[in-house]
Amino acid sequence: ETGVTQTPRHLVMGMTNKKSLKCEQHLGHNAMYWYKQSAKKPLELMFVYSLEERVENNSVPSRFSPECPNSSHLFLHLHTLQPEDSALYLCASSQAFLDSQYFGPGTRLTVT
Amino acid sequence: AQKVTQAQTEISVVEKEDVTLDCVYETRDTTYYLFWYKQPPSGELVFLIRRNSFDEQNEISGRYSWNFQKSTSSFNFTITASQVVDSAVYFCALSEPDGAGSYQLTFGKGTKLSVIP
Repeated sequence: ETGVTQTPRHLVMGMTNKKSLKCEQHLGHNAMYWYKQSAKKPLELMFVYSLEERVENNSVPSRFSPECPNSSHLFLHLHTLQPEDSALYLCASSQAFLDSQYFGPGTRLTVT
Repeated sequence: AQKVTQAQTEISVVEKEDVTLDCVYETRDTTYYLFWYKQPPSGELVFLIRRNSFDEQNEISGRYSWNFQKSTSSFNFTITASQVVDSAVYFCALSEPDGAGSYQLTFGKGTKLSVIP
């Protein structure tokens, strides 16, 4: 498999659930990103990992918890989400921080 | 504070016309990066270009060209001889250091381009 893959593609969860989004890149890149795209707000960069260390520290609620176990995998752990967290979550990777980024297809999350 | 303005919410052009998407940014830093992304109807975001603040040379890539003007804080994107496949939402973004060793990245609201056959 090539490029950036994300699973699941669609997720519906209740506010008390715990779920995780997974991203995998097969490009040998050193940086990985989580973005949030919702209908009501501009695209937002949530987290960035470079060489498996978090380098971007945006104001993201603690109910979102990223994990980067190695340079090829990135997770976004979700717990006690709110309906306003419903959005498209996009993962991306790049060779170096803020270099040309390659995006996955996204996970469409709906919080009920 | 930083801000990215894409004043054109939606644009429609007829195929083969040229079209320019505007992007105006605000920053107090001298070091920053500017980006353009494309999001076609399929939803997958595509990175188009990154430009750093010290490189004002305009760039051309096939039918795409970018005009970076620091004097007017603009980073406009032109598509020449537009095609239906260019129909997408285009985002401009600005990244500048936050003083703590990382970068804040701010996106514009996007311009939806429709190319009519």
